Amino acid sequence: SAVISQKPSRDICQRGTSLTIQCQVDSQVTMMFWYRQQPGQSLTLIATANQGSEATYESGFVIDKFPISRPNLTFSTLTVSNMSPEDSSIYLCSRTSGEGETQYFGPGTRLLVL
Amino acid sequence: AQKVTQAQTEISVVEKEDVTLDCVYETRDTTYYLFWYKQPPSGELVFLIRRNSFDEQNEISGRYSWNFQKSTSSFNFTITASQVVDSAVYFCALSEAITGANSKLTFGKGITLSVRP
Repeated sequence: SAVISQKPSRDICQRGTSLTIQCQVDSQVTMMFWYRQQPGQSLTLIATANQGSEATYESGFVIDKFPISRPNLTFSTLTVSNMSPEDSSIYLCSRTSGEGETQYFGPGTRLLVL
Repeated sequence: AQKVTQAQTEISVVEKEDVTLDCVYETRDTTYYLFWYKQPPSGELVFLIRRNSFDEQNEISGRYSWNFQKSTSSFNFTITASQVVDSAVYFCALSEAITGANSKLTFGKGITLSVRP
């Protein structure tokens, strides 16, 4: 199985500020994914982060609100910009674990916006 | 467009009972992949199983078993002799591929399972 770490594990932020979430994986991978899980809800894909190109965003998510960086094959960041209470969620990064294997998830970042 | 439906929202059972979690999916792809994940109260997402669309064999792993039926587009999950530690939210998910951009997952809404002692 893949080893994926995220920082911070949780944070409480004020409305209008921004938070950058880091995701580190244990081996090089082309694709990484960022998901959001709102309270009591399922997971929704925010964007696909492909190393060497701009992230691809899903419908309803925009780069200005959720800028993503992918500086190398083992690291990605997601920034939640100009936060509002509606952004309070768990944010999870994931990666596939090699050819023919499955998708594993990081432990998540629990964000509360006041 | 892909869709995963988990019609059950909450299930409560007494320890040692068997419980089945239902999952129905929709996709236009002929090749696809189905998954079950467990999310305990701690919040991390734990991978349980992946099934390829071309492999309809059912699978058993200890107390867990999965029934994949393409004819009804279902991928149901049964826990035999449930235990309190099985209490969690269980998600069924679907992807078009295993690698690349199309390996992104579409999740169902999840089923909250409570196992009472």
